[in-house]
Amino acid sequence: GAVVSQHPSRVICKSGTSVKIECRSLDFQATTMFWYRQFPKQSLMLMATSNEGSKATYEQGVEKDKFLINHASLTLSTLTVTSAHPEDSSFYICSARDRVTNSPLHFGNGTRLTVT
Amino acid sequence: DAKTTQPTSMDCAEGRAANLPCNHSTISGNEYVYWYRQIHSQGPQYIIHGLKNNETNEMASLIITEDRKSSTLILPHATLRDTAVYYCMMNAGNMLTFGGGTRLMVKP
Repeated sequence: GAVVSQHPSRVICKSGTSVKIECRSLDFQATTMFWYRQFPKQSLMLMATSNEGSKATYEQGVEKDKFLINHASLTLSTLTVTSAHPEDSSFYICSARDRVTNSPLHFGNGTRLTVT
Repeated sequence: DAKTTQPTSMDCAEGRAANLPCNHSTISGNEYVYWYRQIHSQGPQYIIHGLKNNETNEMASLIITEDRKSSTLILPHATLRDTAVYYCMMNAGNMLTFGGGTRLMVKP
């Protein structure tokens, strides 16, 4: 079945540094991938839609210069949290759908970011 | 995407059926009903989806009312590993919008 892999699963970084999170579709191609963020005891909130070969679409309130998204191939999207601050500490989750079979969205296992 | 309403939490005895309701009274004709669950500190896991017919797979059954304004996810024999937050969502395109979900606690 469709598998979405996220890396790293956990990262701790110092305030002011940047962190890159990778999202890969392992056995299918994904024209579009989605990035979500989840704070403790809350539901997932969509941050942005990552489009292969074009600019990402960001949800209202999400700073595109802070959360850089690159979708350079049909199997890889990256989210870079630039100049991270403690309030960026969260659980980041990506998802993708097989563009050929139009299967349901599948999610990665998330990346827990802690900014100290 | 249409808004859904789910109970905040439910308990179920291990081995019994867990019936999780969802109201989606504003669902439009081309929107599917999707169910996902999220076990603590993991990404959401796809369970099942349907448009208007009832659906069954190896994980669960989905019962959709004839007017499509509500649905029920049924886990026929709940186990302790089914303890999770269950999300009911509507989708006609690519994106999924998560509501609060139902926190299901399966108890021994």
